[in-house]
Amino acid sequence: DTGVSQNPRHKITKRGQNVTFRCDPISEHNRLYWYRQTLGQGPEFLTYFQNEAQLEKSRLLSDRFSAERPKGSFSTLEIQRTEQGDSAMYLCASSLAASYTDTQYFGPGTRLTVL
Amino acid sequence: AQSVTQLDSQVPVFEEAPVELRCNYSSSVSVYLFWYVQYPNQGLQLLLKYLSGSTLVKGINGFEAEFNKSQTSFHLRKPSVHISDTAEYFCAVPNTGGFKTIFGAGTRLFVKA
Repeated sequence: DTGVSQNPRHKITKRGQNVTFRCDPISEHNRLYWYRQTLGQGPEFLTYFQNEAQLEKSRLLSDRFSAERPKGSFSTLEIQRTEQGDSAMYLCASSLAASYTDTQYFGPGTRLTVL
Repeated sequence: AQSVTQLDSQVPVFEEAPVELRCNYSSSVSVYLFWYVQYPNQGLQLLLKYLSGSTLVKGINGFEAEFNKSQTSFHLRKPSVHISDTAEYFCAVPNTGGFKTIFGAGTRLFVKA
């Protein structure tokens, strides 16, 4: 069990650029989640996958955001035409599929700074 | 809809002193509650969770929490803190309508020597 990994750990970009983040979950976990955390706040849910199917999306996830999980393994989160308000820590988590009370295991996050 | 409120944004405490981090919840359905910890530059880690049974839940690193239905609270306690406990602590509740977790705003515990 190598844990959840996220890359890159830090990303600085200029407003209007596109960025893509990657999350590698724990290998046997079916569910994968994306959260966003801004300074002084708890993580806010963005979206989640069961295997390759994206089953729920938050209203926070505007049309500029898209997430994929091809083949039910790693996932990518893309933000198009970044805005300064997108600056945040983007967290990925994974869990087994058995129940919504299952423990979610979090990665270290990708910190995005939009200049 | 489920929600949690963490009553303190920051809690400074001296090393070896006891600490309590407060969390109140709101839920119209069965209650399940979590506490997570986030150390500097690290991801969130589950401390403990209440699903059913005993209202006193023991977690990792000497932390425990007590589920109190009448007061709708799930406060986190530790009898003697260490410098290494300095971190952000989040109370959370799973959304029974889906699979997302709803987090409180967090309490920053700062342990002083």
